[in-house]
Amino acid sequence: DAGVTQSPTHLIKTRGQQVTLRCSPKSGHDTVSWYQQALGQGPQFIFQYYEEEERQRGNFPDRFSGHQFPNYSSELNVNALLLGDSALYLCASSLGGIQPQHFGDGTRLSIL
Amino acid sequence: SQQGEEDPQALSIQEGENATMNCSYKTSINNLQWYRQNSGRGLVHLILIRSNEREKHSGRLRVTLDTSKKSSSLLITASRAADTASYFCATDARGGGSEKLVFGKGTKLTVNP
Repeated sequence: DAGVTQSPTHLIKTRGQQVTLRCSPKSGHDTVSWYQQALGQGPQFIFQYYEEEERQRGNFPDRFSGHQFPNYSSELNVNALLLGDSALYLCASSLGGIQPQHFGDGTRLSIL
Repeated sequence: SQQGEEDPQALSIQEGENATMNCSYKTSINNLQWYRQNSGRGLVHLILIRSNEREKHSGRLRVTLDTSKKSSSLLITASRAADTASYFCATDARGGGSEKLVFGKGTKLTVNP
């Protein structure tokens, strides 16, 4: 039973570029949440997708957008990258409103 | 902003000793969870305690919750070198069926062999 998988594992971009990160949820899960974790900090909630719609959003600018596909997989897009966007991006999945969330190993994004 | 605050920020102990980490939060919650994160990896769920529970056990883990003080503690007994990791508490806000988790900054635990 595959857990949450994220790709790529590492990514290096330059300021102003755009990036797309991908997430496949744990089998049987229909809800995907994205978190940003800066070095030495706890994860911060970006947004959550359920039934292909953004259900809830954290305090992140519109440069951060996402999508959920009919197979429940999800993408996180970040436009006009800033140095401060360098972080570990974590995807978590769950079934509806049932906790707990299951996390992938994340994508390490470095902005030069 | 982060709701939870773990204390201490870092903890170093010897194998076999117990480790206690504390978490404080600000708003009413449905439940509180503890997660572990090994360096550079994703978070692993350890234990969930509901707002109407006061104590919960899972193997070598013991979690307490005091909703009147808005605080929780995680006790790891008979620690092992493999317990070396960062530990985070996470809360979800009461109401709305929300799954949004709000994490603290974590406690970095080092267990020395």
